[in-house]
Amino acid sequence: QQPVQSPQAVILREGEDAVINCSSSKALYSVHWYRQKHGEAPVFLMILLKGGEQKGHEKISASFNEKKQQSSLYLTASQLSYSGTYFCGTEDGTDKLIFGTGTRLQVFP
Amino acid sequence: DSGVTQTPKHLITATGQRVTLRCSPRSGDLSVYWYQQSLDQGLQFLIQYYNGEERAKGNILERFSAQQFPDLHSELNLSSLELGDSALYFCASTGQRGSYGYTFGSGTRLTVV
Repeated sequence: QQPVQSPQAVILREGEDAVINCSSSKALYSVHWYRQKHGEAPVFLMILLKGGEQKGHEKISASFNEKKQQSSLYLTASQLSYSGTYFCGTEDGTDKLIFGTGTRLQVFP
Repeated sequence: DSGVTQTPKHLITATGQRVTLRCSPRSGDLSVYWYQQSLDQGLQFLIQYYNGEERAKGNILERFSAQQFPDLHSELNLSSLELGDSALYFCASTGQRGSYGYTFGSGTRLTVV
């Protein structure tokens, strides 16, 4: 039931791009993306509703394929501040946001 | 400050004891969610309340209970504590479902010794 994220970890140099994937076995109403820095609360990045829309701003965007029950988060021209653990959260219409397994992203100078 | 307030920030207690964690949601938000995050693990959904009523339940142990009061603040009660209950407990709130993300509080770090 827990969404599966891949990869588990990513190491980047500043300016490089990354893609994080999130896959669910259930039909989805929405997908959320959050970033959590060590010892801090998760911070909301964006929400995608069913319909295959893509959202984002400048260097962080995401897509949602409703039919495949998958979402991807795209990070372009990464910055040091992008480091952290990224979680997708999936909601199937039952008011429960279930978080994925997490992807640890480290960006080095 | 995210607008979601959790108290206390840290709690150290002995096995077998009972503790209460408190959460005040962001102004205007009716939904409150509780999550447990063990060391370097993911976020496990415990329970959700909407305007005072329980709406959804996750893998919450029978030793744990929660409620949401008329002023919308919520409390998570953990009893007969075990070492394995040591974790970060987050509260989150949101507005209209499907339209907004969750705003998380800074969490309560519970250590059971």
